[in-house]
Amino acid sequence: KNEVEQSPQNLTAQEGEFITINCSYSVGISALHWLQQHPGGGIVSLFMLSSGKKKHGRLIATINIQEKHSSLHITASHPRDSAVYICAPFYNTDKLIFGTGTRLQVFP
Amino acid sequence: DGGITQSPKYLFRKEGQNVTLSCEQNLNHDAMYWYRQDPGQGLRLIYYSQIVNDFQKGDIAEGYSVSREKKESFPLTVTSAQKNPTAFYLCASSSGGRAMNEQFFGPGTRLTVL
Repeated sequence: KNEVEQSPQNLTAQEGEFITINCSYSVGISALHWLQQHPGGGIVSLFMLSSGKKKHGRLIATINIQEKHSSLHITASHPRDSAVYICAPFYNTDKLIFGTGTRLQVFP
Repeated sequence: DGGITQSPKYLFRKEGQNVTLSCEQNLNHDAMYWYRQDPGQGLRLIYYSQIVNDFQKGDIAEGYSVSREKKESFPLTVTSAQKNPTAFYLCASSSGGRAMNEQFFGPGTRLTVL
């Protein structure tokens, strides 16, 4: 069993739809990253959160530490949101454990 | 603009040659990391450094070497001992220290060994 499970692995949406990506993890301590990787390969950190909920523009991330579960939501999705979204819990203060990512395609 | 730079973006080498990937940051971060990404897999940690002149092996350090002579720079050498070096390599940095800190990533170097 993978230490970090993301679902779905692939997601297709129409522009304007509400998107949810889920992350469950079996290891790690009380914080995680959500990352975005565009086709060119570069990675951008979207959120680092350790409790509750964070919002940045159309992106919302939530985390439940007790259940070791986090979700990333995208409201009013747009084609420029098309990317791979990666969940990465902290294994300790030095190390992240990375999921394999959710590939999102948003069509106009 | 503060950030992390990696060069080159694409790198081709013949089998058996060592190659060094560059990573520079001007974020004044203490900690720096090297990751490898293969298709269908999550990023894996190669080496990390929390402070100048000190570094630790990650999960897949065999066949790689690093140095941290300056705070801004953390070059990675892929040696001929690395059995399958073709991959996408990402460098990252964070404030470091005892707390969990957000990591910031460079644009990556795609290495192809022919």
